[in-house]
Amino acid sequence: GENVGLHLPTLSVQEGDNSIINCAYSNSASDYFIWYKQESGKGPQFIIDIRSNMDKRQGQRVTVLLNKTVKHLSLQIAATQPGDSAVYFCAASGGYNFNKFYFGSGTKLNVKP
Amino acid sequence: SQTIHQWPATLVQPVGSPLSLECTVEGTSNPNLYWYRQAAGRGLQLLFYSVGIGQISSEVPQNLSASRPQDRQFILSSKKLLLSDSGFYLCAWSVIQGNTIYFGEGSWLTVV
Repeated sequence: GENVGLHLPTLSVQEGDNSIINCAYSNSASDYFIWYKQESGKGPQFIIDIRSNMDKRQGQRVTVLLNKTVKHLSLQIAATQPGDSAVYFCAASGGYNFNKFYFGSGTKLNVKP
Repeated sequence: SQTIHQWPATLVQPVGSPLSLECTVEGTSNPNLYWYRQAAGRGLQLLFYSVGIGQISSEVPQNLSASRPQDRQFILSSKKLLLSDSGFYLCAWSVIQGNTIYFGEGSWLTVV
């Protein structure tokens, strides 16, 4: 199976600073990765995705970096705001089974005003 | 645009009682459908997925079952709930295999 994990369970940042959330995966066949944001009591919301033929993708205030060599991806949030406080999950596709995504346990981001 | 609805949002059920959580997707055809469970403070565990009507794949042996009676309807059931079935259940869909999964708002189940 896929093992997707996050390096830090909790991350505290000052409002306005940049945040970096990391994720490692173990299945080298995974070719599609997604970052989700989950606010308390709600379902995860899609933030940004990246396929394995890319190493960087940018969205609005967010950037995902993929390093396939070390099977690591990160989510960078620029100018972090209080509304960014949530749990962030990475998900990796199951490689040969496109129907499966494997999720890490999540990193809780606390933004201090 | 596509939307996903699941209900009920909150459920408190006694041990041994049945369960039925329902999920529907609107605005798309032949979606892939998923049921995930999330224990408190934990990640998401895939329970079932379906690529078409009547086609259900189970990921883990458990006290739950899933059915897909219609193209955009996915139901999670149990005949007799266990305490360990408590958790946050999420329905999700994707357009095609290997594409983004979109989640519903979730259903909190507490088995007492």
